Amino acid sequence: NAGVMQNPRHLVRRRGQEARLRCSPMKGHSHVYWYRQLPEEGLKFMVYLQKENIIDESGMPKERFSAEFPKEGPSILRIQQVVRGDSAAYFCASSPPAFRSTDTQYFGPGTRLTVL
Amino acid sequence: KQEVTQIPAALSVPEGENLVLNCSFTDSAIYNLQWFRQDPGKGLTSLLLIQSSQREQTSGRLNASLDKSSGRSTLYIAASQPGDSATYLCAVRDFSGGGADGLTFGKGTHLIIQP
Repeated sequence: NAGVMQNPRHLVRRRGQEARLRCSPMKGHSHVYWYRQLPEEGLKFMVYLQKENIIDESGMPKERFSAEFPKEGPSILRIQQVVRGDSAAYFCASSPPAFRSTDTQYFGPGTRLTVL
Repeated sequence: KQEVTQIPAALSVPEGENLVLNCSFTDSAIYNLQWFRQDPGKGLTSLLLIQSSQREQTSGRLNASLDKSSGRSTLYIAASQPGDSATYLCAVRDFSGGGADGLTFGKGTHLIIQP
C-alpha cells in the first residue's frame, strides 16, 4: 500500500508565476490536509478537504491560494502569483474516512517550493 | 486558539544517554497528542499517539507521557543512538486547530546524538 505521494518534490518558480502542488492520498483515504512549513517554523495547518468538498480552509491565506480535491485524481494546492515569502515546504497528509481518536494522519514527503 | 511549545529547541548529547523532550499546549480540550520524527528533506513519521484518556504510550526505546490537565507531554528516549538524530515534533489534535481534525504543531526539537 503506497504511502501519501506528493509531486513535484522540488519546485522552483519566479515571482509572479503559478505553483501547482499535487497530493495523492493513501489508498482508501478520503480526507486530505495541507500544511506549510516556513523556514525555522513549525508546520501550520492550511486546509482540510474531503472529496469534492473543502471542509475547513481557516489556515489558508486569503488571497492567491486555493485547494481542491476532485472526485477523480489528486488534491491540488494552487498558489497564484507567487512571492518570495511563499518559499516553504508544503506537506500533504491523509486520513481514513472514519477519523477516530486513535487514528493518525499520514504525511507525504513534501514539496519544497523555492521562489526566485 | 491552541498553541504548542517545545523545549528545548535544540539538543546535542553523547550516544547512550537517556533524554527527555518537552511539549506544552495551551488548550486541554484535545483528542490526542502525537510525537513525530522529521528527517532533513523528508516527511513526518509518526512515533507515538496518546489519546486524551491515556497517560502514556511506549514503543521500543520511546516513551511518551501526557498530562492533559497541566497541558504537558514528554518524550523519553532511552539509550540514545546516532540514528535518533532528527527533529522531533509534537502535535495536538483538538477542536480549535484546523476544523477539529487538523493538527497544531510545535516548532520541534532538533536532536543530535554524538557518536
